[in-house]
Amino acid sequence: DIQMTQSPSSLSASVGDRVTFTCRASQSISTFLNWYQQKPGKAPKLLIFASSILQSGVPSRFSGSGSGTDFTLTISSLQPEDFAAYYCQQGYSFPYTFGQGAKLEIK
Amino acid sequence: EVHLVESGGDLAQPGGSLRLSCAASGFTFSSYSMTWVRQAPGKGLEWVSYISHDGRTTYYADSVKGRFTFSRDNARDSLFLQMTSLRDEDTALYYCVKDGATMIRGAPLRYFQYWGQGTLVTVSS
Repeated sequence: DIQMTQSPSSLSASVGDRVTFTCRASQSISTFLNWYQQKPGKAPKLLIFASSILQSGVPSRFSGSGSGTDFTLTISSLQPEDFAAYYCQQGYSFPYTFGQGAKLEIK
Repeated sequence: EVHLVESGGDLAQPGGSLRLSCAASGFTFSSYSMTWVRQAPGKGLEWVSYISHDGRTTYYADSVKGRFTFSRDNARDSLFLQMTSLRDEDTALYYCVKDGATMIRGAPLRYFQYWGQGTLVTVSS
């Protein structure tokens, strides 16, 4: 199975900051990498698929990049509604796997 | 608008069974693969199972293989997750998910495009 490791596990930042999350796969997955946002008490929401393609309706301050084993999710200028948990997920092979999640908190 | 409504979550005893359902609307159900994802209380997301658009192909997480069965009824726009030999560690919120897909160099990348609100399964004696 492909293991997905996110770093950091948590991050404190302020509104307006630029933040970056990293996701690393245990083997090469090309660009078969998706990102989700989850707010407390809510279902997850798809942000980015295929490493860098923004899901319709997602603000352009979100961006993704990477290929192979190393991927990043960047929020260019944090907004109050961005404080949430973020998960990466590989869609390269079954069983699909998620990273352990990264919590973004207000500083 | 895509709508996914899960039901069937309940309190079950270890070794017991439950059947989850998911009613889908707002899209051509028979054209899309579907997925179950679960989340234990206070924990991260865990992929559980996949079913192809026609129901012919299924995949399972190792943690549920041989105990859970994923099926669908395309005439009724419905999904089912039959859960048997339940364990404490199956306690979680179970999400029904509509897959999206795109092709990368001839291979399909599936992503979890739309999520239901989840149904809670609690396994405890």
